[in-house]
Amino acid sequence: DSGVTQTPKHLITATGQRVTLRCSPRSGDLSVYWYQQSLDQGLQFLIQYYNGEERAKGNILERFSAQQFPDLHSELNLSSLELGDSALYFCASSVAGVGGSPLHFGNGTRLTVT
Amino acid sequence: AQSVTQPDIHITVSEGASLELRCNYSYGATPYLFWYVQSPGQGLQLLLKYFSGDTLVQGIKGFEAEFKRSQSSFNLRKPSVHWSDAAEYFCAVASLPGAGSYQLTFGKGTKLSVIP
Repeated sequence: DSGVTQTPKHLITATGQRVTLRCSPRSGDLSVYWYQQSLDQGLQFLIQYYNGEERAKGNILERFSAQQFPDLHSELNLSSLELGDSALYFCASSVAGVGGSPLHFGNGTRLTVT
Repeated sequence: AQSVTQPDIHITVSEGASLELRCNYSYGATPYLFWYVQSPGQGLQLLLKYFSGDTLVQGIKGFEAEFKRSQSSFNLRKPSVHWSDAAEYFCAVASLPGAGSYQLTFGKGTKLSVIP
């Protein structure tokens, strides 16, 4: 058990809809990361937060947004969903957002867009 | 920009045989390197990491990896594979694109199958 909790585990929704994925980091970890895993793209970094502030942005679509709250949990919002957004979304956390910190991953949320 | 290449998409080995999974990275500075394993339906679990110092690093579950700067490689090895090692393995390199920012770039993964 990594200590990172993601909810829900599975999500099935229709195109055009909006969903929210939730992540609770390991106790003591200040940095949260979101990744998207799909068969064709592999693991793609989306965004990093550190202690409530956005620190790094990767291949995150404008239809997607995220935030980290004062209690350090994070939410990833996906809107105007398309079939291609179907993927496994991982949250990870680390003690600090500095070099060398290993990331600890949750078990992911599997999103299916129909 | 940093990148990671795992040349082998799928490898099959017999139980008890040795294993080597290849990883090549591209990064301008001294790299922080990681190997993760993902079992079906699970998240990624850290196997080992390299920051500096000894180029041969030991990890969990009997895995080790060797950093070779001249070859930009960080290959994962295990002397004797167990059936429970069947999973997908990901190599990753860390980068610090800006102040306080940090991200891991992953390879596409190598799926390991183990024959009893």
